[in-house]
Amino acid sequence: GNSVTQMEGPVTLSEEAFLTINCTYTATGYPSLFWYVQYPGEGLQLLLKATKADDKGSNKGFEATYRKETTSFHLEKGSVQVSDSAVYFCALDPFWGYNKLIFGAGTRLAVHP
Amino acid sequence: GAVVSQHPSWVICKSGTSVKIECRSLDFQATTMFWYRQFPKQSLMLMATSNEGSKATYEQGVEKDKFLINHASLTLSTLTVTSAHPEDSSFYICSARDRERGSSYNSPLHFGNGTRLTVT
Repeated sequence: GNSVTQMEGPVTLSEEAFLTINCTYTATGYPSLFWYVQYPGEGLQLLLKATKADDKGSNKGFEATYRKETTSFHLEKGSVQVSDSAVYFCALDPFWGYNKLIFGAGTRLAVHP
Repeated sequence: GAVVSQHPSWVICKSGTSVKIECRSLDFQATTMFWYRQFPKQSLMLMATSNEGSKATYEQGVEKDKFLINHASLTLSTLTVTSAHPEDSSFYICSARDRERGSSYNSPLHFGNGTRLTVT
């Protein structure tokens, strides 16, 4: 079946630290992969995406590379800010053109000054 | 940007009563909306796909008679939890795909802020 596994949070970092949130998946076929972010009191927002192997999604200093060989899509940021504190969800769309997303459990990130 | 309004943001109800949750696309038309639920420390689980003007498509294991979905217009979908029980307590989230960009595989989904349901 299709599933997404994320590292368990919370992840607590100091400002300007390096961030990695691990995400691995299982899927039949060739899924698209996404990272969504949920800031306190808000809905989920698309952060970045990758639609095929070796693609790198990037946005707001965050990056993730679609690794088919390791079935991973780890989220990274070189220098986090307090404003990055949020819950991050890794997701996959297993079916072409259907947007039927399968989510990971979410990882809470807390960044302290 | 595209906004999805979900209401209420939280609700407490007694066991046996019904609760309706609304999901509105404020500045775009949505032919398809999705309903998710999330238990603490668990993934968002897709419950059903709501299609404007037709019956919803439910995921395996989701009781369609308990979770009634109505998508009467291009901007509104509702989820009614009927005869709610404490085990229905959860976080419910809707999302919508922009009709204008619906043909694009990469068109993003727009999410509501979610509804926290507590059944006592």
